[in-house]
Amino acid sequence: QKEVEQNSGPLSVPEGAIASLNCTYSDRGSQSFFWYRQYSGKSPELIMSIYSNGDKEDGRFTAQLNKASQYVSLLIRDSQPSDSATYLCAVNSGNTGKLIFGQGTTLQVKP
Amino acid sequence: KAGVTQTPRYLIKTRGQQVTLSCSPISGHRSVSWYQQTPGQGLQFLFEYFSETQRNKGNFPGRFSGRQFSNSRSEMNVSTLELGDSALYLCASSLDRGLGNEQFFGPGTRLTVL
Repeated sequence: QKEVEQNSGPLSVPEGAIASLNCTYSDRGSQSFFWYRQYSGKSPELIMSIYSNGDKEDGRFTAQLNKASQYVSLLIRDSQPSDSATYLCAVNSGNTGKLIFGQGTTLQVKP
Repeated sequence: KAGVTQTPRYLIKTRGQQVTLSCSPISGHRSVSWYQQTPGQGLQFLFEYFSETQRNKGNFPGRFSGRQFSNSRSEMNVSTLELGDSALYLCASSLDRGLGNEQFFGPGTRLTVL
């Protein structure tokens, strides 16, 4: 079992729709959770971080964390073609600088 | 505030050679982590440096090494290059270690081994 799992996609949504990206992790002791966006040929860009159960909103993005289910998700409201990218879920299990990444989900937003 | 910078951006080497990559973190950031990204394996953690000390190491052979200087700048070295070392090498910096510290990535160094 991989430590951090994501559906590779592609996930295709129409412009203006809500995109829902999901991630599960295996280490129950994980404490920090991050979503990065990576455009083709570019480096990952931090979108959201979340540390407590529940929802965290930032503009069109909402991160959701459920530690009991070992599940973290990212919702993108009013999806735009510019949101088309690979979204990486990353988990930090301890007091370290080691992030464990999922394989990423490719999102396609169609005009 | 300037972001994380990495040099060089592109490198072409041949098998058996060695390479040194450089990373300058965001001003004030003290922790630097290195990652390797390949299409097959995704993003994999190489090592983490904080206060000039390696704090954590990923599952890579000893050919991969690194160091951090007193100004928090970091270098990583790969010796005896193999074809499989072709990858995007990413450096990320954070203010400190541990919970609550977000990592910000540099643009990466694209290494091609021929």
